[in-house]
Amino acid sequence: AQKITQTQPGMFVQEKEAVTLDCTYDTSDQSYGLFWYKQPSSGEMIFLIYQGSYDEQNATEGRYSLNFQKARKSANLVISASQLGDSAMYFCAMREAVSGGTSYGKLTFGQGTILTVHP
Amino acid sequence: EPEVTQTPSHQVTQMGQEVILRCVPISNHLYFYWYRQILGQKVEFLVSFYNNEISEKSEIFDDQFSVERPDGSNFTLKIRSTKLEDSAMYFCASSEVEKTYEQYFGPGTRLTVT
Repeated sequence: AQKITQTQPGMFVQEKEAVTLDCTYDTSDQSYGLFWYKQPSSGEMIFLIYQGSYDEQNATEGRYSLNFQKARKSANLVISASQLGDSAMYFCAMREAVSGGTSYGKLTFGQGTILTVHP
Repeated sequence: EPEVTQTPSHQVTQMGQEVILRCVPISNHLYFYWYRQILGQKVEFLVSFYNNEISEKSEIFDDQFSVERPDGSNFTLKIRSTKLEDSAMYFCASSEVEKTYEQYFGPGTRLTVT
């Protein structure tokens, strides 16, 4: 079974509108972390936002927010007021605790969603 | 702002040759990682490194791969005998001890095996 599932291969949004990128995950751990990264066409991976499994509040970073629904195992990224520069591939990722409870931070990534922002 | 750097940005090599990909992590970071991304596919974990030893490795990281921290600043990935299927973008990442959730990625090295 896929640990991270991003069901939207591509999404389109009009400039200045909000968009939600979906991510569901599968883990039996109680302690885990969820991440979103942006990969522009230039190829680098840019860290956007992090949500810990024990965090009660949804994470926010500027125009990015993470809609964390633990019972549904979803961690959707919401981008408000889209800009042309937001056009990129977006990856959802998860870090689980390895056996013994120690996590060295290994990330498992989803397949990604290509976001295109139209002017 | 400090950043992870990687060299070279693009490496072309012939099948069977050895390649070394270099990374300079952020200076106060102590956890280091290598990931790869085959063109058009998702990013895959290869190995994590802490305290001068491998912490965890994936099934991809077989005997052809090795990692090393030869000095206080560099972190290298060596592929001993490259195969066509090793062609990919290789990302180095690093994180602080206290904030392993914040992994900062380098710009990547595109490896092309011909």
